Amino acid sequence: QQQVKQSPQSLIVQKGGIPIINCAYENTAFDYFPWYQQFPGKGPALLIAIRPDVSEKKEGRFTISFNKSAKQFSLHIMDSQPGDSATYFCAASFPGDKLIFGTGTRLQVFP
Amino acid sequence: GAGVSQSPRYKVAKRGQDVALRCDPISGHVSLFWYQQALGQGPEFLTYFQNEAQLDKSGLPSDRFFAERPEGSVSTLKIQRTQQEDSAVYLCASGLQGGSSYEQYFGPGTRLTVT
Repeated sequence: QQQVKQSPQSLIVQKGGIPIINCAYENTAFDYFPWYQQFPGKGPALLIAIRPDVSEKKEGRFTISFNKSAKQFSLHIMDSQPGDSATYFCAASFPGDKLIFGTGTRLQVFP
Repeated sequence: GAGVSQSPRYKVAKRGQDVALRCDPISGHVSLFWYQQALGQGPEFLTYFQNEAQLDKSGLPSDRFFAERPEGSVSTLKIQRTQQEDSAVYLCASGLQGGSSYEQYFGPGTRLTVT
């Protein structure tokens, strides 16, 4: 019940494309859903996050779509750039608690 | 301001050695988390402090792992009698906690290799 399932494992798009990464969770008590971006040799960097009381949140080129009834959420990257090539992790947590991460999606954006 | 810092960035230990990994959280951050990240995997929770109190250590894989945060700021993760399966990146994250602030900010990690 504490798992967060993430797909796809890897994704290749051309510059300007819109990669979409999906996550699903089981526990309806989760209250916070962040996305992290991680470059090789670096720690995860907080990208954008959403609470379950909203269905969508945009920050720059990054958008989270949240479907509470389906217990799913996704990350969309608009106008993707080669610099967006990284591994992306979704996560979920109970209020003020530890993060439970998905398995990650390796994104490659080709020029 | 300065982010979360961790030291050393890389550590090579022979099997059976003890290691100590340090985390300096963002100034003023109440909560501090340790995670373990195996190669190609997502981070997995180890332990959590709120100020100096260790509130959750359910993720520590064995009694060889020990963490402390005696003054509610810097934290140390200690691994005794290291084993090859301990090889991983150890990440520290800090956050304000409380109210609606759930954000956790990660340091660069310490890559531990046990030979």
